[in-house]
Amino acid sequence: NAGVTQTPKFQVLKTGQSMTLQCAQDMNHNSMYWYRQDPGMGLRLIYYSASEGTTDKGEVPNGYNVSRLNKREFSLRLESAAPSQTSVYFCASSDTRSPNYGYTFGSGTRLTVV
Amino acid sequence: LAKTTQPISMDSYEGQEVNITCSHNNIATNDYITWYQQFPSQGPRFIIQGYKTKVTNEVASLFIPADRKSSTLSLPRVSLSDTAVYYCLVGTEGSSNTGKLIFGQGTTLQVKP
Repeated sequence: NAGVTQTPKFQVLKTGQSMTLQCAQDMNHNSMYWYRQDPGMGLRLIYYSASEGTTDKGEVPNGYNVSRLNKREFSLRLESAAPSQTSVYFCASSDTRSPNYGYTFGSGTRLTVV
Repeated sequence: LAKTTQPISMDSYEGQEVNITCSHNNIATNDYITWYQQFPSQGPRFIIQGYKTKVTNEVASLFIPADRKSSTLSLPRVSLSDTAVYYCLVGTEGSSNTGKLIFGQGTTLQVKP
């Protein structure tokens, strides 16, 4: 099925541990994004990638790194997890070359840092 | 990027029409207006997008006045399953654009029986 796939769906980390959230899309979209959503809040942009090989910071990049491995994959890494990074993480993609575009979101990764 | 303002919450009853208005006073000439719907524990889902006047699809209608400083999402005859958070966003399309959209807090719509 076409769409955005995120792994894992759930993860519990201890403070200071590291992990990588994976995201892949099969729609040939050029742009990909990582958002976080805290309880009762809207989504906040962490990092985005307008095309393969490029990445840029969003609203809340501190504590995260990203890699646009190829056109399909965009990973988010937490080098040293902190309780403040407990959140639901969403990956999205879009084709900004189209006259009208919308985002397609993954189902999210629920991360708890204890 | 244009900032948007929308009500934090709205209540409605099944079968009613719901209109959610979004203010975007600083919208740029090339900006499109897009609405997303988010159910609990799911990622947002694209509903509708428009540039000016009226756009209608199988889910909703989007009304945009001539000055484009606001827009109204209209949901006809809502059901309990329309209970969700609705986000209004503005952004610029085009090959040179990153497509970076900023989400606000959205409007939580509660549909009651």
